[in-house]
Amino acid sequence: DAKTTQPPSMDCAEGRAANLPCNHSTISGNEYVYWYRQIHSQGPQYIIHGLKNNETNEMASLIITEDRKSSTLILPHATLRDTAVYYCIVRPQNTGGFKTIFGAGTRLFVKA
Amino acid sequence: SAVISQKPSRDICQRGTSLTIQCQVDSQVTMMFWYRQQPGQSLTLIATANQGSEATYESGFVIDKFPISRPNLTFSTLTVSNMSPEDSSIYLCSSFRGDNMNTEAFFGQGTRLTVV
Repeated sequence: DAKTTQPPSMDCAEGRAANLPCNHSTISGNEYVYWYRQIHSQGPQYIIHGLKNNETNEMASLIITEDRKSSTLILPHATLRDTAVYYCIVRPQNTGGFKTIFGAGTRLFVKA
Repeated sequence: SAVISQKPSRDICQRGTSLTIQCQVDSQVTMMFWYRQQPGQSLTLIATANQGSEATYESGFVIDKFPISRPNLTFSTLTVSNMSPEDSSIYLCSSFRGDNMNTEAFFGQGTRLTVV
């Protein structure tokens, strides 16, 4: 299974863009990159995913490098409610392909 | 978006007893997953539950400790057996819409278990 590496924590000022990096240097060709977040005491929440192209939705943007070895989740205007643990996950390609394996994630603190 | 109803939301249990956690999905799904989240830690996958077959357990988890049922395509239970304080965690269930790789997981809100 491809592994991901994320910084353990980051700070961001309210109203500014939060850029959360993720390294996944062993990613395989058909593996998707997914981002989830977990706000305190809640279940994880899906944010966005992508394969090769950059993606944008109402929550965030996902920038994937051309070699697919890393990606960045961008929250364009962070609010206090975006304080959470953010998980970058590469979905395994084998018969257990639907298993979502969580790493340690990045704890994002949005400060007023 | 898809919804999983999980209950109980929290419980305090005596050591040596068992607790069964239920998850109900609002539509039929092929696979359901059970996770444990120990205090201050990330989520760890316990097992995959498919309807009509035995659950598949991850390394370090065994059926005797965490028996799982999957009686139909919308429901699953996880039992935490013979509990000890080390079992104090949040337990979450999860599933997917669709059967291809381009689909996201959705999660229940978790069961916060405290064993005393």
